[in-house]
Amino acid sequence: IQLTQSPSSLSASVGDRVTITCRASQGISSYLAWYQQKPGEAPKLLIYAASTLQSGVPSRISGSGSVTDFTLTISSLQPEDFATYYCQQLSTYPFTFGPGTKVDIK
Amino acid sequence: QVYLVESGGGVVQPGTSLRLSCVASGFTFSSHGMTWVRQAPGKGLEWLAMIWFDGSKEYYADSVKGRFTISRDNSKSTVYLQMNSLRADDTAVYSCARHWRLGYNDYWGQGTVVTVSS
Repeated sequence: IQLTQSPSSLSASVGDRVTITCRASQGISSYLAWYQQKPGEAPKLLIYAASTLQSGVPSRISGSGSVTDFTLTISSLQPEDFATYYCQQLSTYPFTFGPGTKVDIK
Repeated sequence: QVYLVESGGGVVQPGTSLRLSCVASGFTFSSHGMTWVRQAPGKGLEWLAMIWFDGSKEYYADSVKGRFTISRDNSKSTVYLQMNSLRADDTAVYSCARHWRLGYNDYWGQGTVVTVSS
């Protein structure tokens, strides 16, 4: 299963609403996760089951979607949110990642 | 506190082999599946292989199937990645991650660097 993400990168300001999309090449129900990765750090699980917030993740981050189209939204971008975001499907092995979306400062 | 510490990386020549290790602590290792993921310089995450909690099943990415083998020793809380016939495009940071629920990766190691170069 192939995952595409859009945009591949975006520039935004603190306080902006940011939306990243992930599209699967075939239906994956809600078996989708979102990860955040900062330079030199390990990825961090943000969202699982497409829309469930992992413990400790701020509520300004949310996920939605099902089947083939998914969205990660940050309602009010904070300085610590500048990072690269990856989606991952867990419907069928191998559990593929999307190519990533880099969010940087405008 | 959960810790995953990888080791075994290095600089090797094309066509050679390397075995990576990931030692886990802070949780019941034998209750969790484990995954290896890599990230080439400046590139995204690539899922490589996973092994069930008891070692009974393994799955691989097409890019490494037949060359890489994942295994585990629950008595040592360690997961391994045996890498054979290494190629230049295997150059990357290799990280292990813990499975949680359906396979989401909730804890990750910091990775070990593998460089394949002549």
